Amino acid sequence: DAGVTQSPTHLIKTRGQHVTLRCSPISGHKSVSWYQQVLGQGPQFIFQYYEKEERGRGNFPDRFSARQFPNYSSELNVNALLLGDSALYLCASSFWQGAGQDTQYFGPGTRLTVL
Amino acid sequence: KQEVTQIPAALSVPEGENLVLNCSFTDSAIYNLQWFRQDPGKGLTSLLLIQSSQREQTSGRLNASLDKSSGRSTLYIAASQPGDSATYLCAVRPGTASKLTFGTGTRLQVTL
Repeated sequence: DAGVTQSPTHLIKTRGQHVTLRCSPISGHKSVSWYQQVLGQGPQFIFQYYEKEERGRGNFPDRFSARQFPNYSSELNVNALLLGDSALYLCASSFWQGAGQDTQYFGPGTRLTVL
Repeated sequence: KQEVTQIPAALSVPEGENLVLNCSFTDSAIYNLQWFRQDPGKGLTSLLLIQSSQREQTSGRLNASLDKSSGRSTLYIAASQPGDSATYLCAVRPGTASKLTFGTGTRLQVTL
């Protein structure tokens, strides 16, 4: 079975631009979460979506938004890019929210560079 | 606010050595704790998940323990191999929501 997939793998943007990152969860998984990992740090939680509804939001500005589609895939959008948005963006999927054995499975990430 | 700390930040050991990685967290009200491996520039691979009611989990040469009351977890790697070289991250889940709070990781290098 395919794992979590993310696209694109890498991209380079300039300050002020907009970017859209995409994630396809493992088949059957209904929960998708987004994390930002700056070089040398652990991932930081951005959003969680379950059954197409936002279920959690981290401490990120309103320039960050996301949505989940009926097929449970998800998009992360970032507006007005800043140099500090340069990071590895990770998507994680899990079967459902609220289960103790609910292991999260991560995708390979999208490396965003803002110049 | 939950804070997760991992010590040491970096570790270099010769092949074959047994080693322990440490993870501590400030709020003991966790739902579970998960250990991940991350290769350079790659995503995270889940290694072990320990429920808050459990004391340890084992998978092959890996053993993770959890002492929730003291806010500590350890990852024990037996008979280390060069292929174990990676960054190891621990993450705690504070409740039923899926949000994970990560430590900054331990970068492990196993030398021949």
